[in-house]
Amino acid sequence: GAVVSQHPSRVICKSGTSVKIECRSLDFQATTMFWYRQFPKQSLMLMATSNEGSKATYEQGVEKDKFLINHASLTLSTLTVTSAHPEDSSFYICSAQNAAGGDNEQFFGPGTRLTVL
Amino acid sequence: QKEVEQDPGPLSVPEGAIVSLNCTYSNSAFQYFMWYRQYSRKGPELLMYTYSSGNKEDGRFTAQVDKSSKYISLFIRDSQPSDSATYLCAMSEGGNTPLVFGKGTRLSVIA
Repeated sequence: GAVVSQHPSRVICKSGTSVKIECRSLDFQATTMFWYRQFPKQSLMLMATSNEGSKATYEQGVEKDKFLINHASLTLSTLTVTSAHPEDSSFYICSAQNAAGGDNEQFFGPGTRLTVL
Repeated sequence: QKEVEQDPGPLSVPEGAIVSLNCTYSNSAFQYFMWYRQYSRKGPELLMYTYSSGNKEDGRFTAQVDKSSKYISLFIRDSQPSDSATYLCAMSEGGNTPLVFGKGTRLSVIA
């Protein structure tokens, strides 16, 4: 149980295009999902907290108009990187928190490697 | 002082050794403590989860939390080359609050 999937696993795009990344909780409902970015040999940097049915809460320094987050259902959150530039190239990872659990466990997806040319 | 401190390593040990990984933290409101294992180019995998102080054992892994010292540890017994990965400690205050991560410790277990 507690499986989180991400799609795509890898994407290469041209500068200026938009990329959508999906995060799904496969066997549980997640009222809260988190989006992280990770640069090589660095720890995870929280970008935003996504709550089902409400607007995402962004961390300081993260542009909400550039990183659009939609959490339309209890099993799906999407991150759209708009007008991507090479500096947006990174490993993007989502995590989901089980709505039924009261204990704050978070389960991570396998990550999406974004390369912007 | 950062909220969570973790020695990034790298830590290199021979196969079969006991590995000790540690994190310290400053926020006394943290109640939930986790250890994640992350292989290269993969998402983190939850290894151990502990609420409040105490020990928890799962196979070769033992997690310890000492809230009075604001110190947590992960012990790996009989380490294997397949344990080679980056180990991240993480903690939170509870509810839907985000996890706060350490920087991760890179571990290499040499056969």
